[in-house]
Amino acid sequence: DAGITQSPRHKVTETGTPVTLRCHQTENHRYMYWYRQDPGHGLRLIHYSYGVKDTDKGEVSDGYSVSRSKTEDFLLTLESATSSQTSVYFCAISEARSLPEAFFGQGTRLTVV
Amino acid sequence: AQTVTQSQPEMSVQEAETVTLSCTYDTSESDYYLFWYKQPPSRQMILVIRQEAYKQQNATENRFSVNFQKAAKSFSLKISDSQLGDAAMYFCAYKETSGSRLTFGEGTQLTVNP
Repeated sequence: DAGITQSPRHKVTETGTPVTLRCHQTENHRYMYWYRQDPGHGLRLIHYSYGVKDTDKGEVSDGYSVSRSKTEDFLLTLESATSSQTSVYFCAISEARSLPEAFFGQGTRLTVV
Repeated sequence: AQTVTQSQPEMSVQEAETVTLSCTYDTSESDYYLFWYKQPPSRQMILVIRQEAYKQQNATENRFSVNFQKAAKSFSLKISDSQLGDAAMYFCAYKETSGSRLTFGEGTQLTVNP
């Protein structure tokens, strides 16, 4: 299995509080992604990174920010959590042409109350 | 922007039978990758099969095969000899070879009946 670790695995937080999810990889893959999974919507891209300090927005980026200061770490921050951000969050990694498929972390279930 | 559509929210199949899951996508690119992922109740995302757009031959992995119709922008997954362990959510995904964005469909929940 690809070396991807998400932390925490579960979190309950209150509305209005900041939350940071961490994704750590040991594969040295260039690309890293954050997705959220909600019933009926599949996986929707929040942000992705194509290198250290190189990030871009996905289709549902409002309310989220990311940072990638090292190849192995990709952080997702909810600046002020809202109930609509209750979801399961997945981190994924991929390489370029040599290995285009994405490998996923175990997911983080976030509940905002 | 690329879009991926799975028009079957739910499908069911009898054990040992064959089932086909549908996926269509929209792109103006000529070179790209398509994937099918499986998500069992454990929530882990598992790659089932990969197809390169420049290859005319349909990909096959054991009981899993695809029907890739590039002109129609269709990418269906056929599961032969269905097993109880095949029960899962299946996602179709698209990725440009020149880019890094990976776009998923909404998913199809497959039930396998004994």
